[in-house]
Amino acid sequence: DTAVSQTPKYLVTQMGNDKSIKCEQNLGHDTMYWYKQDSKKFLKIMFSYNNKELIINETVPNRFSPKSPDKAHLNLHINSLELGDSAVYFCASSQEGTVLFFGSGTQLSVL
Amino acid sequence: AQSVTQLDSQVPVFEEAPVELRCNYSSSVSVYLFWYVQYPNQGLQLLLKYLSGSTLVKGINGFEAEFNKSQTSFHLRKPSVHISDTAEYFCAVSESNDYKLSFGAGTTVTVRA
Repeated sequence: DTAVSQTPKYLVTQMGNDKSIKCEQNLGHDTMYWYKQDSKKFLKIMFSYNNKELIINETVPNRFSPKSPDKAHLNLHINSLELGDSAVYFCASSQEGTVLFFGSGTQLSVL
Repeated sequence: AQSVTQLDSQVPVFEEAPVELRCNYSSSVSVYLFWYVQYPNQGLQLLLKYLSGSTLVKGINGFEAEFNKSQTSFHLRKPSVHISDTAEYFCAVSESNDYKLSFGAGTTVTVRA
C-alpha cells in the first residue's frame, strides 16, 4: 500500500494549457509538500501545508496554485503552462516537519 | 536560512570499494540532517537521519554518516559498495522547529564492476 501516491506519473501537454497533479498520503501525517526537481536534479521546495494551512510559499509564479482539501491530500494546479515548467514534481509528507516521505514523482513535459 | 553544499557532483567507484560523499551545511541554529537516495526514475528514499543524540548515524543498506558540529559536516560513508548503489544521493538540512527541508545539488554515484 503506497504511503505517498501522486498521479499522473507522466504528463505531456502543450504550452498554455492548464493541468493538475494530485497527491494523497495514508501515513496520517500533518504536513504535505510540493517540490520541483529540474533537469539538473536540483530539488527546490515550492509549497507546504500543515493541517490544511499554507505554511511555506516559496517564490513560485502565481500560475501555480496548491489546494489541500484535507490533511491527506495536496493537489497542484498549474495555469498557462510554459516550457520552463517542464520538470519532475514530487509530493511529500511529514509529521511535524521532521522526516519527509516522498511520492514517486510526476514528470511534466510542456511542448 | 540554512543551505547545503555537496562537494562532489560525481563519484565513480569500483564495486566493493569504499565510498564517502561529502556534505557541508550552514545554519545559525540547531539542525536536523538527512541523506536521501534517488534511484533512476524513482522518488527519494530516506537513507538515514540525524535529529539528536549520537553523532554517528547508521542507515539502510550499510550506509552511515557522522555529524560534525564544529566542521558543520554530515559526510556519508559505505565501506563496500554494490552495483545496486548506483544512484543520486542528496544531503538535506532543516532547522529545528522549521518545516522547510533544503537539499544539496546531489552527488551521482556510479558503481562499476
